[in-house]
Amino acid sequence: QLQLQESGPGLVKPSETLSLTCTVSGGSISSGSYYWGWIRQPPGKGLEWIGSMYYSGNTYYNASLKSRVIISVDTSKNQFSLKLNSEGAADTAVYYCARHLGFYSSSRFDPWGQGTLVTVSS
Amino acid sequence: QSVLTQPPSVSAAPGQKVTISCSGSSSNIGNNYVSWYQHLPGTAPKLLIYDSNKRPSGIPDRFSGSKSGTSATLGITGLQTGDEADYYCGTWDSSLSAMLFGGGTKVTVL
Repeated sequence: QLQLQESGPGLVKPSETLSLTCTVSGGSISSGSYYWGWIRQPPGKGLEWIGSMYYSGNTYYNASLKSRVIISVDTSKNQFSLKLNSEGAADTAVYYCARHLGFYSSSRFDPWGQGTLVTVSS
Repeated sequence: QSVLTQPPSVSAAPGQKVTISCSGSSSNIGNNYVSWYQHLPGTAPKLLIYDSNKRPSGIPDRFSGSKSGTSATLGITGLQTGDEADYYCGTWDSSLSAMLFGGGTKVTVL
């Protein structure tokens, strides 16, 4: 059974880099035709897709975040990571990692990690 | 404001049926499949429906999905208190090359 778990600091200062890692267990990140994605949910708001990447490096980002985001993968550790240059409180959110199936027309996320709250504050 | 439009809330009594709409455009719902997610606070979102009308293994047939033109619908029959959650639609947008989510709909069991 595939499981994903986010990890990283829960507090980040404005203008610093928010860094999170997603550890995949129960399957290899480099097997199958899957992308791996990050999604966030600000307090009281809906879900927002951040970006997704294939294990070989092909990456897609939300245009509104593209200038501040990097998603990378470490196949040796079966992990993928998110780096976001935080601007301020607007980046405060629960951050989820998930497997991105059926990329393009049949896109969906399954399974998801439990999520981790990141607060951006000085 | 989301590109995909969902009603903020729907409600019904236990055992009844609710439907949740998700409205988009030709660049997203009109030409791509829709997925639906159930999200209880403090838990991981769960995939309920994919490819507009397919259920993953383990999802009861009380949950159903449909799509027509640029809109999609999630139906929940035999409503239970455990169904109280936020529900999100999602789809790929071919023009934006991006995954989109609706604003979410809160289901309340009266």
